[in-house]
Amino acid sequence: DAGVIQSPRHEVTEMGQEVTLRCKPISGHNSLFWYRQTMMRGLELLIYFNNNVPIDDSGMPEDRFSAKMPNASFSTLKIQPSEPRDSAVYFCASSLVNNEQFFGPGTRLTVL
Amino acid sequence: AQSVTQLDSQVPVFEEAPVELRCNYSSSVSVYLFWYVQYPNQGLQLLLKYLSGSTLVKGINGFEAEFNKSQTSFHLRKPSVHISDTAEYFCAVSESDMRFGAGTRLTVKP
Repeated sequence: DAGVIQSPRHEVTEMGQEVTLRCKPISGHNSLFWYRQTMMRGLELLIYFNNNVPIDDSGMPEDRFSAKMPNASFSTLKIQPSEPRDSAVYFCASSLVNNEQFFGPGTRLTVL
Repeated sequence: AQSVTQLDSQVPVFEEAPVELRCNYSSSVSVYLFWYVQYPNQGLQLLLKYLSGSTLVKGINGFEAEFNKSQTSFHLRKPSVHISDTAEYFCAVSESDMRFGAGTRLTVKP
């Protein structure tokens, strides 16, 4: 198994632009998580899905952030419009419910 | 809701010395407990996990952790560290979802 796949690995964009981060979970996993990691705030859970349904999006910082999971093998995290304070590493993880999470390599986002 | 406290943000230690990284949690129900390691510019990798059974859990790279229900702790230990153990270590607790601690940066010096 290739593990959790995230793309792109690096993204540099200008303030105000739309950013879309992509994630392919491990086949057979039924939970998917989006995290943001910064030096100041550490690792933050943004949103998670069970069986493609969003369960808890209380960690999504603002309406500029949205996440979708149209099927069991794909999820997106979109930021529109992006701001410099959104610069961070964004991780996707997948799991079977209540078991260990497998993390992707992350997307390093820089908003200028 | 569950929460996790990692008591030390940074732990410097010399090579071949023992190390303990502390983790306390709060939860109203039975939980699953995890330790993850993050090397620079990488994602998190599972070190070990406690789901049930023996309270002493052995993981990869010579690490182990002990679940102590009365003290609500899950401290991580290694008897002799290597330079390559330098990384960020995260404790996590899982009920309906998983909550991570703030992390402990372990720096192993020669």
